[in-house]
Amino acid sequence: NAGVTQTPKFRVLKTGQSMTLLCAQDMNHEYMYWYRQDPGMGLRLIHYSVGEGTTAKGEVPDGYNVSRLKKQNFLLGLESAAPSQTSVYFCASRWTGSYEQYFGPGTRLTVT
Amino acid sequence: SQQGEEDPQALSIQEGENATMNCSYKTSINNLQWYRQNSGRGLVHLILIRSNEREKHSGRLRVTLDTSKKSSSLLITASRAADTASYFCATASYFQGAQKLVFGQGTRLTINP
Repeated sequence: NAGVTQTPKFRVLKTGQSMTLLCAQDMNHEYMYWYRQDPGMGLRLIHYSVGEGTTAKGEVPDGYNVSRLKKQNFLLGLESAAPSQTSVYFCASRWTGSYEQYFGPGTRLTVT
Repeated sequence: SQQGEEDPQALSIQEGENATMNCSYKTSINNLQWYRQNSGRGLVHLILIRSNEREKHSGRLRVTLDTSKKSSSLLITASRAADTASYFCATASYFQGAQKLVFGQGTRLTINP
């Protein structure tokens, strides 16, 4: 099993550009999450999904959109990137019967 | 807003010594979890303690939870160089039927050989 994978690993965007981050999990987990990690801030929840076709807002959803068209994939979109979105983005998933979250390796995004 | 506050922010000890990290939180929780993050990597789940538990062990890890003080501690005994990492507490609560984890800012642990 690959676990949770994220694509791409690194990306540099110019202000106003758009991009999509892909998260994939092969553990048949129902729940999936997108976090951002900034220095000194810990992880903050952006959006999450409790199952295929569902999404919900987390703590810091502004400027991001998500989609969960397939159970194994959770996409995070930035429609118009801003320097404030420079961060490391982590995807996580978990099984319904467990509280433990499994994390991907992260995507380091820089917006100039 | 961040619920978990961790103390200390950084800790440096000699290999073989014990490392203790503390976490405080503000609201009611269902459970509290500890995660480890090696530099440049994702987080890895270490241990979970439920709100009705006071202490839990897993290998060299010991976690305590005091819900009256809204605090938890993680003890790593007989530390090794491989324990060098950042450690995060995460409090779990339910919002609109879904579990959410709120992470602390982390403790950066350095084990000196």
